[in-house]
Amino acid sequence: GQNIDQPTEMTATEGAIVQINCTYQTSGFNGLFWYQQHAGEAPTFLSYNVLDGLEEKGRFSSFLSRSKGYSYLLLKELQMKDSASYLCADTDKLIFGTGTRLQVFP
Amino acid sequence: GAVVSQHPSWVICKSGTSVKIECRSLDFQATTMFWYRQFPKQSLMLMATSNEGSKATYEQGVEKDKFLINHASLTLSTLTVTSAHPEDSSFYICSARGQIEAFFGQGTRLTVV
Repeated sequence: GQNIDQPTEMTATEGAIVQINCTYQTSGFNGLFWYQQHAGEAPTFLSYNVLDGLEEKGRFSSFLSRSKGYSYLLLKELQMKDSASYLCADTDKLIFGTGTRLQVFP
Repeated sequence: GAVVSQHPSWVICKSGTSVKIECRSLDFQATTMFWYRQFPKQSLMLMATSNEGSKATYEQGVEKDKFLINHASLTLSTLTVTSAHPEDSSFYICSARGQIEAFFGQGTRLTVV
C-alpha cells in the first residue's frame, strides 16, 4: 500500500526559509514529485527526486533519502505568492500525500 | 511546458443525469492518465489510472460502474459520472504523464443539484 504524510499547515514570514517534510511508505518506489497548488487551480510541477540528495531549482530545492523514506521541499526567500498548498507524490502511481498549506505573512 | 486541457471547467447538472469530463494532452502522447477528486482544503485523491487501449485501474472504494473511464487514444481520456447525486459534487482533475513529470488539467467543478 501507499502512505504519504505531510504536515497539514505551516506558516512563515516573507523573506524567510521554510522546509516542508514528506514521509512515505510505498511499494515499488521509484521517486518523488513535488507540486505546488494554489486554491482552485491545477497543481504545477516543482521538482523530481529519484536518487538520494538535494536537487536545486532556483528558490526551491528538494531532498530525498530513500533509506529513510523521507523527503523535504525547501523554499528560500519566501514571497507572498508562495502561499499555496505543496504536495508530494510518488512518481510510480502518482498518489499524493496529504498536502501542506503554507501561509506566508508579511 | 506540456499542456493538458480539461473540459468543462465547471458544470451543474440535475441529480440522476450523467456528466462527461474530457482530458486531452495537447502536445504530447500520454500512455497513462490519472483521475483525481479533490475536496476543499484537502489533497488530491486518486480515483483511477487509465492506460491507452486498456481498462482503467480503480483505487479501492471507487465505484467503477459509477465513474466510467475511457482512454481511447494517446491524447484523450474521459471520465463519465453516471447517475450523479449531490454527494458527487466535487472538483475533478486529470493528469497525463509525460516523459518524467505529470501535467495537470485545469480541473472540473461539478455541482449536482
